Amino acid sequence: EDQVTQSPEALRLQEGESSSLNCSYTVSGLRGLFWYRQDPGKGPEFLFTLYSAGEEKEKERLKATLTKKESFLHITAPKPEDSATYLCAVQKNSGGYQKVTFGIGTKLQVIP
Amino acid sequence: NAGVTQTPKFQVLKTGQSMTLQCAQDMNHNSMYWYRQDPGMGLRLIYYSASEGTTDKGEVPNGYNVSRLNKREFSLRLESAAPSQTSVYFCASRNPGHLSSYEQYFGPGTRLTVT
Repeated sequence: EDQVTQSPEALRLQEGESSSLNCSYTVSGLRGLFWYRQDPGKGPEFLFTLYSAGEEKEKERLKATLTKKESFLHITAPKPEDSATYLCAVQKNSGGYQKVTFGIGTKLQVIP
Repeated sequence: NAGVTQTPKFQVLKTGQSMTLQCAQDMNHNSMYWYRQDPGMGLRLIYYSASEGTTDKGEVPNGYNVSRLNKREFSLRLESAAPSQTSVYFCASRNPGHLSSYEQYFGPGTRLTVT
């Protein structure tokens, strides 16, 4: 069974204090791993797609990396506006069935 | 370009009532999806439509029906609402024909309470 586990469940950082969020996954035939940001009361907002181990992508203070078993979302010098829940999801290479499995998310709070 | 829009934003139903959640996208995407999000659980797929004219069940289809009205619109119907269907519902779309891009784009959600 496909599984996505995110850790920690919640993270509190001081402004400027860099850290990483973890997403470990078990899926047969990874087609893509996605990171989303979700603000309270809103829908998930797409951040990154990673396709193969060793791949990295960056956007402002965020950098996503991928290995064969996990992905990290590194946040460098975070600001209060980075506070949100970050969701990880994986899509398997399953032919016609377009199943995407989501993690529960990591709730990040950045304190000024 | 509004992306994915959903109506209504909030809804309260009584057990046994029916309602339809509406979703529309203006990105010319082929595939559309309905998810529910519950506390302590990841987003779970209810139904999806790979392309106009087709619909398929996801992980948690019981108690729901869908209609892909045209390429833009995908509706979710609760025929007889139950308290277990209290949740936040998200519609999403993507264009799987674009080989380098599998990500989904989500709407703002409908917060449904069934009493």
